[in-house]
Amino acid sequence: GAVVSQHPSRVICKSGTSVKIECRSLDFQATTMFWYRQFPKQSLMLMATSNEGSKATYEQGVEKDKFLINHASLTLSTLTVTSAHPEDSSFYICSARDFGAGRNEQFFGPGTRLTVL
Amino acid sequence: DAKTTQPTSMDCAEGRAANLPCNHSTISGNEYVYWYRQIHSQGPQYIIHGLKNNETNEMASLIITEDRKSSTLILPHATLRDTAVYYCIVNYGTSYGKLTFGQGTILTVHP
Repeated sequence: GAVVSQHPSRVICKSGTSVKIECRSLDFQATTMFWYRQFPKQSLMLMATSNEGSKATYEQGVEKDKFLINHASLTLSTLTVTSAHPEDSSFYICSARDFGAGRNEQFFGPGTRLTVL
Repeated sequence: DAKTTQPTSMDCAEGRAANLPCNHSTISGNEYVYWYRQIHSQGPQYIIHGLKNNETNEMASLIITEDRKSSTLILPHATLRDTAVYYCIVNYGTSYGKLTFGQGTILTVHP
């Protein structure tokens, strides 16, 4: 299957700092990428849909000014957690849909574990 | 809200078939059934998807009932590495399709 990478895999930061997470589709182009968040023992929750060349679409209850999304190319989307606080500590996962050859599968990155002290 | 219902947990002996059920009684005619799994602390992994017909790939088989209100994911020979949370998701499969994850089924494969 197609490969999606995330960087970093793990980050620890101090409260009040900003953290950038990168999501890359390595062997296909993705006009749309998705960002999810997963708290311990819970399921994945969609945060936003990232569209190449346009503004992201945020799910209800997700602060767009706190979670900045940039999708500058067909293979890269970034999520910046601004002024992070301990309650933002979570597992952040991105995904991308491979439209090549009529495929409908959505492929996920390995996730980024954010710990805010 | 997730539009599927799955058992919270299931056990399976190594080497035996694991049959994971999913109810999706409100599925519409153009919605697909997708299965993903998530091994602890990793991103979800795509397994298989289908619309009406049964599907098989190198990982699993997907059996969809004729009325499409339920489906079963079959792992033919479960191994310890198949221990994971399995998610059944219905989705339009279009270019904008968002995946809504429910709680999934925790499958534990025992030696």
